[in-house]
Amino acid sequence: AQTVTQSQPEMSVQEAETVTLSCTYDTSENNYYLFWYKQPPSRQMILVIRQEAYKQQNATENRFSVNFQKAAKSFSLKISDSQLGDTAMYFCALYSYFGNEKLTFGTGTRLTIIP
Amino acid sequence: DTGVSQNPRHKITKRGQNVTFRCDPISEHNRLYWYRQTLGQGPEFLTYFQNEAQLEKSRLLSDRFSAERPKGSFSTLEIQRTEQGDSAMYLCASSYGQGAYQPQHFGDGTRLSIL
Repeated sequence: AQTVTQSQPEMSVQEAETVTLSCTYDTSENNYYLFWYKQPPSRQMILVIRQEAYKQQNATENRFSVNFQKAAKSFSLKISDSQLGDTAMYFCALYSYFGNEKLTFGTGTRLTIIP
Repeated sequence: DTGVSQNPRHKITKRGQNVTFRCDPISEHNRLYWYRQTLGQGPEFLTYFQNEAQLEKSRLLSDRFSAERPKGSFSTLEIQRTEQGDSAMYLCASSYGQGAYQPQHFGDGTRLSIL
C-alpha cells in the first residue's frame, strides 16, 4: 500500500514571502511520480508541479520548486514571492508504476497568503 | 480546450433516492477518472476509464455505484439507494496518454448532499 502524509493542515504567510509545504510518502516501488496539486476556493484543482522519482534534479515551475529527498521519502513544495492568488488547498499526490492506476492524495494543506 | 465540465454542480436528495452525475472530459483525452472528496480529505480514487473501457474500480465503489463512458466520450456516475455517507464532492478528471502519471485535468466537481 502507498500512503501520502501532509502534516501541516494550515499555513499562512505574508504576501511576497517564501513558504514551504511538507509532504512525506511511502511506497515500496522504485519507479513513481510525485505531484503537487492546487485547489483554489471554489475552483478547479490544477497541477502545480510533477517530479519523476528517477530524476535527481528537483523540478521547478516559475515560482514553484520542490525539494525531493528520495531516501527520506520527502517531497516539499517551496513557493517563492508568494501572491494572493496562491491562496488555496495544496495536495501532495503519489503515483507508482506497479501499484493501482491511480493517484494517492494526502489530506492537504490550506495555505493563506496575507496581504 | 474548454476544460472538464461536470453537471450538476450541486445535488440535494433524500436518502434512498438514486442520483446520476455527468462528466464531459477534454475532447482529446482518452482517460477519465472519478474521485470522491470528503471534507478535510484529499480526493480518493473511485474508478477510471481508458476510452470506453472501465479498467479499475476501488473497493470504495460499492455495488450501489456504477459508472459508464459510452463511446469513450462523456461519463456518468450513478449512485443507487443513496446513504448519508455518500455525501461528498465527486470529482472527475481527464488526461491524455497512458498512465496516471500524466497530468490530470479536474472539473469543478458535483457536491452531493443527502438529507
